[in-house]
Amino acid sequence: GAVVSQHPSWVICKSGTSVKIECRSLDFQATTMFWYRQFPKQSLMLMATSNEGSKATYEQGVEKDKFLINHASLTLSTLTVTSAHPEDSSFYICSARAPGQQETQYFGPGTRLLVL
Amino acid sequence: AQSVTQLDSQVPVFEEAPVELRCNYSSSVSVYLFWYVQYPNQGLQLLLKYLSGSTLVKGINGFEAEFNKSQTSFHLRKPSVHISDTAEYFCAVSDVNGNKLVFGAGTILRVKS
Repeated sequence: GAVVSQHPSWVICKSGTSVKIECRSLDFQATTMFWYRQFPKQSLMLMATSNEGSKATYEQGVEKDKFLINHASLTLSTLTVTSAHPEDSSFYICSARAPGQQETQYFGPGTRLLVL
Repeated sequence: AQSVTQLDSQVPVFEEAPVELRCNYSSSVSVYLFWYVQYPNQGLQLLLKYLSGSTLVKGINGFEAEFNKSQTSFHLRKPSVHISDTAEYFCAVSDVNGNKLVFGAGTILRVKS
């Protein structure tokens, strides 16, 4: 149980375009999902907390207008990187909390973004 | 705020040998502790977690960790490693509300034959 998927697994785009990444909880409903970014050879850094039906909470230094988060249902959160630039190239990973396990986050497989 | 220090960036070990990956944390409040494993180009898989109770926690794939409050440590151990254990291991800490999971820098475990 507690499976989280992400789509796409990798994406290449041109500078200036927008990219949408989906995060789905497959076998449970998640009121809270999290978005992380991982640069090469570095650890995960929390970008934002996504709450179903309300605005996301962004970490300090993360531009909310650049990284748009929508959590429209209990099984889906999306991250849109707007006007992507090469410095946005990274590995984006989402996680979700399962009901009754509020202390534990289950992670998706990640999305590799390369902006040319 | 919590912080995590993983003392070793890389740990090479021969197959079937024991291994210990070290993790120390800092927090002014009670914490939950986690170990995750990440295989290349994949997300994180939960190995084990400490919430309360017994300080020795057993996880998947034969791993275990021991919570030591006085030393603020949560070291990960396995008595006999396999080639397939080669991966990056992350120690993480959160407050007891499960908010703000903070990760260490990671330790790459390289198992050699």
